[in-house]
Amino acid sequence: EDQVTQSPEALRLQEGESSSLNCSYTVSGLRGLFWYRQDPGKGPEFLFTLYSAGEEKEKERLKATLTKKESFLHITAPKPEDSATYLCAVQDGGSNYKLTFGKGTLLTVNP
Amino acid sequence: GAVVSQHPSWVICKSGTSVKIECRSLDFQATTMFWYRQFPKQSLMLMATSNEGSKATYEQGVEKDKFLINHASLTLSTLTVTSAHPEDSSFYICSATLTVTSGRQYFGPGTRLTVL
Repeated sequence: EDQVTQSPEALRLQEGESSSLNCSYTVSGLRGLFWYRQDPGKGPEFLFTLYSAGEEKEKERLKATLTKKESFLHITAPKPEDSATYLCAVQDGGSNYKLTFGKGTLLTVNP
Repeated sequence: GAVVSQHPSWVICKSGTSVKIECRSLDFQATTMFWYRQFPKQSLMLMATSNEGSKATYEQGVEKDKFLINHASLTLSTLTVTSAHPEDSSFYICSATLTVTSGRQYFGPGTRLTVL
């Protein structure tokens, strides 16, 4: 059974204070690892897909990296509008494309 | 592009009634749609996977007779919560895949169901 563990559960940063979120996973044959952002009362918003170890992707202040066991979401100089819950999900090779999500990291960026 | 809508965005109903939630892919044809449930401060839990024109595949522990899923076209899937009870109160989110190869899911905005 696929498992995804995200840490920390909650993170509070000052504006401009860079940090990283962690996503550890176990999966039988990774098809893809996905990062989503979710604002309160809304559906998840796609950020990145990573397919193989060593892959990196960037978007504005966010950078996602992948190893064989975990992924990191690096946030550089965050702003208050980056406050949200960040979800990590994995998709295995034989799963009919279903995603297994972690519980998420609630990020709060104070001005 | 790749927008998914849900209707209604919120619904309040009495215990014992049935509620239907619609999920539409607005600008693409979705080969597969997924239904999730999310309880407060919890992650998304997959309920079922549906493919157009075929029966939905339910996850273990999800009652197929209680959560009826119909995927009548490539742009519309519906979830009907039958004989709803207060414990069914939750945030229901659908998603759709654009292509079977990318694996990427596009999520709807969610439907908040409150059963009194």
